[in-house]
Amino acid sequence: GESVGLHLPTLSVQEGDNSIINCAYSNSASDYFIWYKQESGKGPQFIIDIRSNMDKRQGQRVTVLLNKTVKHLSLQIAATQPGDSAVYFCAELGGATNKLIFGTGTLLAVQP
Amino acid sequence: DAEITQSPRHKITETGRQVTLACHQTWNHNNMFWYRQDLGHGLRLIHYSYGVHDTNKGEVSDGYSVSRSNTEDLPLTLESAASSQTSVYFCASRSGEGSGNTIYFGEGSWLTVV
Repeated sequence: GESVGLHLPTLSVQEGDNSIINCAYSNSASDYFIWYKQESGKGPQFIIDIRSNMDKRQGQRVTVLLNKTVKHLSLQIAATQPGDSAVYFCAELGGATNKLIFGTGTLLAVQP
Repeated sequence: DAEITQSPRHKITETGRQVTLACHQTWNHNNMFWYRQDLGHGLRLIHYSYGVHDTNKGEVSDGYSVSRSNTEDLPLTLESAASSQTSVYFCASRSGEGSGNTIYFGEGSWLTVV
């Protein structure tokens, strides 16, 4: 069946370092991928997205990389700040159902 | 500013009672979704709607129902609440124009069934 999973459930980094959060997906028909950030007690917030016809997309301090060959997605956060501490979810969209499927999440802990 | 709001934000109810969680969005989005979030399961889709009078079952729809009488609202009803339905519930919406539109989430409704 379709699934989206994360390699690292918890990632601890020092403030100022770069963070990389990884995600694997299994549905080759998915054509749109999204990263969400969820802070404690809040709903998921959109961070950045990428379509399957792209390999890389950059936002403000964040970069998403898509490797369709190995069905891998990553989120890079530059100069990680304490405010970046949250759970990060990758999600895929596409195929016949056009439904958003989430991974289980990675907790990013930024140490001051 | 356009937004998506959920109510109530917190609720405690008893087993067997009917509970309705409200979701209202002001973006005029066609697509609306209800998810539940539990430890170890991430976000799981309960029901979704692609427009007025359209409703569809998600992966964990048993014990839940939705109705879509207008564009702005998608209330989620637990017909007879069970302890297994204790969870955080998130409503979401997107415009539905193509597969690339961002999905926006509400702040969540914490439901406890005792």
